[in-house]
Amino acid sequence: EPEVTQTPSHQVTQMGQEVILRCVPISNHLYFYWYRQILGQKVEFLVSFYNNEISEKSEIFDDQFSVERPDGSNFTLKIRSTKLEDSAMYFCASSLISRDARNGYTFGSGTRLTVV
Amino acid sequence: AQSVTQPDIHITVSEGASLELRCNYSYGATPYLFWYVQSPGQGLQLLLKYFSGDTLVQGIKGFEAEFKRSQSSFNLRKPSVHWSDAAEYFCAVGASGGSYIPTFGRGTSLIVHP
Repeated sequence: EPEVTQTPSHQVTQMGQEVILRCVPISNHLYFYWYRQILGQKVEFLVSFYNNEISEKSEIFDDQFSVERPDGSNFTLKIRSTKLEDSAMYFCASSLISRDARNGYTFGSGTRLTVV
Repeated sequence: AQSVTQPDIHITVSEGASLELRCNYSYGATPYLFWYVQSPGQGLQLLLKYFSGDTLVQGIKGFEAEFKRSQSSFNLRKPSVHWSDAAEYFCAVGASGGSYIPTFGRGTSLIVHP
């Protein structure tokens, strides 16, 4: 069964450093998403991406965040100048037809980011 | 805006016992409702979903959930839990209008004792 692959599974970075979280969505999917879960809190939507541009973003997704699909297969989340409060599990997801979750989202296993 | 509450952070059950995980949502119209499961090292996997029609929904792995509009709830149930069901369970609600992107709860961790 096709999978969404996220790398690395765990990343530790120093405060103020830039990190790039990588995701390989399912190859024929067109819509891509990032969510995050701070430990003990809700899974929060960050951003959706379609046709090489952001289609929707939450208030969490401020100027320190950016997304990119650099080569047609990878989908990356960049966090500039990380803060302690960026420590969280970051989930990537993709879907084929639309942003409508009724049509099925496939999630990756997540990247646990620890900022020290 | 929609929201989801999973009031139980951890649930512990014995293998073979029945299970009910609670989920309450807030949304003005008829919501779309989902349960996802995350086993260790795995992605979020869709267990079941409700859009309309029969309020009792059957899912994979022997799970079911019942939509109760009067209680704004969508509780997940299983009659007999297996040790392999130990995982994190997430309830999510999607708006029937607007962006459709689901809003998740914080999850309930299920611990299964032998």
